[in-house]
Amino acid sequence: QVQLQESGPGLVKPSQTLSLTCTVSGGSISSGDYYWSWIRQPPGKGLEWIGYIYYSGSTYYNPSLKSRVTISVDTSKNQFSLKLSSVTAADTAVYYCARVGVVVVAADYWGQGTLVTVSS
Amino acid sequence: DIQMTQSPSTLSASVGDRVTITCRASQSISSWLAWYQQKPGKAPKLLIYKASSLESGVPSRFSGSGSGTEFTLTISSLQPDDFATYYCQQYNSYSLTFGGGTKVEIK
Repeated sequence: QVQLQESGPGLVKPSQTLSLTCTVSGGSISSGDYYWSWIRQPPGKGLEWIGYIYYSGSTYYNPSLKSRVTISVDTSKNQFSLKLSSVTAADTAVYYCARVGVVVVAADYWGQGTLVTVSS
Repeated sequence: DIQMTQSPSTLSASVGDRVTITCRASQSISSWLAWYQQKPGKAPKLLIYKASSLESGVPSRFSGSGSGTEFTLTISSLQPDDFATYYCQQYNSYSLTFGGGTKVEIK
């Protein structure tokens, strides 16, 4: 059974960089069958795709966030990470990591989500 | 960028009702559409992929249809466990976009 778990600070100051890591267990992040994705959800609002990474390191980002986002992968640790720079209160959200099938392009496994609050 | 518009934003229904949610894309996405169910405080759960394929373990009362720009999620007989928020998600040119969500409430 594949499991994903987000980790990282729950509070980030404005203008700083948000950093989160997703640890994958029960399956290899090096599988060529999946993209590894970050998705967020502001409190009381809908879902927003941030971006995803392939095990080879190829990345694809939401155009509206592209200038501030970096997603990286560490296959030796079976982890992938998110960095979002120059954060503001609008970046306050629950951040999810998820596995997205390359063929079906839908997220079949999700982490439980982690709330990140941007506040001084 | 492709925009996804879901309707209605809120739906009130009773147990046993047939429920239909619509998702419209701003341009054709072929059949690259998925549907998710989300309950409060939980991660979304995949229900349907490629517009009409049922994810393993999802009850058969859920079905999806459509192609191009118009898609529907149908729940044939609403069950107590189905009261939740539903999202559509499109894929096009390596980019994903979610619809705004439809909250299914108890009537």
